[in-house]
Amino acid sequence: GIQVEQSPPDLILQEGANSTLRCNFSDSVNNLQWFHQNPWGQLINLFYIPSGTKQNGRLSATTVATERYSLLYISSSQTTDSGVYFCAVEPGNQFYFGTGTSLTVIP
Amino acid sequence: DGGITQSPKYLFRKEGQNVTLSCEQNLNHDAMYWYRQDPGQGLRLIYYSQIVNDFQKGDIAEGYSVSREKKESFPLTVTSAQKNPTAFYLCASRGRLPLSIGEQFFGPGTRLTVL
Repeated sequence: GIQVEQSPPDLILQEGANSTLRCNFSDSVNNLQWFHQNPWGQLINLFYIPSGTKQNGRLSATTVATERYSLLYISSSQTTDSGVYFCAVEPGNQFYFGTGTSLTVIP
Repeated sequence: DGGITQSPKYLFRKEGQNVTLSCEQNLNHDAMYWYRQDPGQGLRLIYYSQIVNDFQKGDIAEGYSVSREKKESFPLTVTSAQKNPTAFYLCASRGRLPLSIGEQFFGPGTRLTVL
C-alpha cells in the first residue's frame, strides 16, 4: 500500500514562531487533506488540497502532487495550535493517514 | 446543527463481549467510514460504505462488523474475535462518490476500553 510519512514527528515552538510541517507520500493520489487533532481527540479539517496552494488565516498549505509531497505552514503560532497534525492521502477509494506531527506551542 | 454524532463517548466492556458503537450523520453524505486510532499512531481504516446496503473492508476489518441499513447511520460492532479492541474509534462521512472528490468530516470519537 501507499506510504505516508510526516516530519518532524515532534515540534516544540515558542509562541509567535513560524513552522513548516511536511507530508511525503509514495504514490500518486487523487485527494489530500490536513487535519488538526485537538487534545480531546476531535479531528478538525484544515485543508482539502489535492494540488496547489491555499491559505486560511495564519495557516497555509501547498501540495505538489507531481513530486508527492505537501507542506503545512503555521505562522505566528499560538498555544491553541498545540495538538497533532495529520495528513491523509487518497490514491483510490480510501484515505491513508500519516503518523502525525505533534506540535507543542509554549507561551 | 449539521454534523456527525458518535455515542457513547466512553465505553467499558469485559473481554469476550461484543459491543456496538453508534455513528449518525445528518449531512446527507453518501459515504461513511470507520477508523481506529491507537496511542501515538495515525488512523487506520476498518470499514467503509459508499451507499446504503453496501460496505467494503478496510485494512484492519478482522474482528469487526458493520451494517448500513439507512443513509444516516453506520454502526460498528466490535466482536469478541478482535484481539486488541481497546482503542479510539472515529467515524467519518463525505459527499457523493464515485467521483472521489470532497473532504471527509469526522465525529468526536468513542474511546473503548476492554477490561
